[in-house]
Amino acid sequence: DAKTTQPTSMDCAEGRAANLPCNHSTISGNEYVYWYRQIHSQGPQYIIHGLKNNETNEMASLIITEDRKSSTLILPHATLRDTAVYYCIVRGRYNFNKFYFGSGTKLNVKP
Amino acid sequence: GAVVSQHPSRVICKSGTSVKIECRSLDFQATTMFWYRQFPKQSLMLMATSNEGSKATYEQGVEKDKFLINHASLTLSTLTVTSAHPEDSSFYICSASFIETGELFFGEGSRLTVL
Repeated sequence: DAKTTQPTSMDCAEGRAANLPCNHSTISGNEYVYWYRQIHSQGPQYIIHGLKNNETNEMASLIITEDRKSSTLILPHATLRDTAVYYCIVRGRYNFNKFYFGSGTKLNVKP
Repeated sequence: GAVVSQHPSRVICKSGTSVKIECRSLDFQATTMFWYRQFPKQSLMLMATSNEGSKATYEQGVEKDKFLINHASLTLSTLTVTSAHPEDSSFYICSASFIETGELFFGEGSRLTVL
């Protein structure tokens, strides 16, 4: 599985957009980019995933560069409840493909 | 989204006893489930892959005789921590893979404390 690199922590003001970067320079052609977040002492929560096109859902947007070596998760209007550790994971799309977690980014949303 | 449920959410046991944690996919069938362990202030570490109807595959460094995994049906996988010791105290999290999309859905986690 491709490894990912994320900043250890980021701060964001409440109501502003939070942009979380992820580098995955060794991603292979059939691997997807997944984003999850974990709020303290809970199981990770699915946010969004994509292959090469930008994706948007009710939670966030995912921007993947044309060469697919990096991506950015965008939370358009961060709230205090978005404070969590955000994990970027690359993985093949089949159900048996493993998910390996990196260290993630701790997003601190401040009032 | 799909729901994965873990039970118990918290368990305290004495050293030397065995503890079983259940992981259920409530509204979909999961041929593959994954078990993770998470220590305080650390990321999730993959322990093993649970395959319905076959033996689990363990990550390097994880003792298969210590952490017994059974995936007897398409909706249930169990992790048994045998002869638990204080160093096994951790947050154990299971996940189930949705066949059609490959999305991974996680349980709420089970916090094990071994006294």
